[in-house]
Amino acid sequence: QQQVKQSPQSLIVQKGGISIINCAYENTAFDYFPWYQQFPGKGPALLIAIRPDVSEKKEGRFTISFNKSAKQFSLHIMDSQPGDSATYFCAASTGSGNTGKLIFGQGTTLQVKP
Amino acid sequence: EPEVTQTPSHQVTQMGQEVILRCVPISNHLYFYWYRQILGQKVEFLVSFYNNEISEKSEIFDDQFSVERPDGSNFTLKIRSTKLEDSAMYFCASSGWIAKNIQYFGAGTRLSVL
Repeated sequence: QQQVKQSPQSLIVQKGGISIINCAYENTAFDYFPWYQQFPGKGPALLIAIRPDVSEKKEGRFTISFNKSAKQFSLHIMDSQPGDSATYFCAASTGSGNTGKLIFGQGTTLQVKP
Repeated sequence: EPEVTQTPSHQVTQMGQEVILRCVPISNHLYFYWYRQILGQKVEFLVSFYNNEISEKSEIFDDQFSVERPDGSNFTLKIRSTKLEDSAMYFCASSGWIAKNIQYFGAGTRLSVL
């Protein structure tokens, strides 16, 4: 129940296209859903995050869509660029307690072809 | 921009040896974390630390692991007797008081156990 399932494992998109990565969760206590971007040899960097009281959040070319009833959320990258080529992780967390630990999905390796 | 700093970037050790991985979290943050990423796999939570004590630990964080905040700036992860399967990238993260699950990650320490 603590798992976050992410798909696809890898994704190839042409420059200018839309990249879509999906995640699903079971634990309804999760109340914070971030996406992290990781370049080779670097640590995960917070990209965008959403809480379940909204269905969509947009920051520049990056949008999170959230479906609370389906327990799914997705990352959309509009006008994908070669510089977006990286591994993307969805994650989930609960705000209660003293931990705030993040449960990560398996990751999606995105390649944007020029 | 404040960042989480980890040293060393790469640590090579012999099986059975003790290693200490070091982290300097963002200065006004109160919550500290260690995560692990085995090559090609997802990021996994190891331990969270708040108010000078462990607040949560995962099944991975057994008696061979310990964490410490020896002074006001450093946060360390010690592995007492390393095993081959401890080879991984270890990430330190920190978060502030208001939103403990908004975590900022360091660049990581690659631990290679031979």
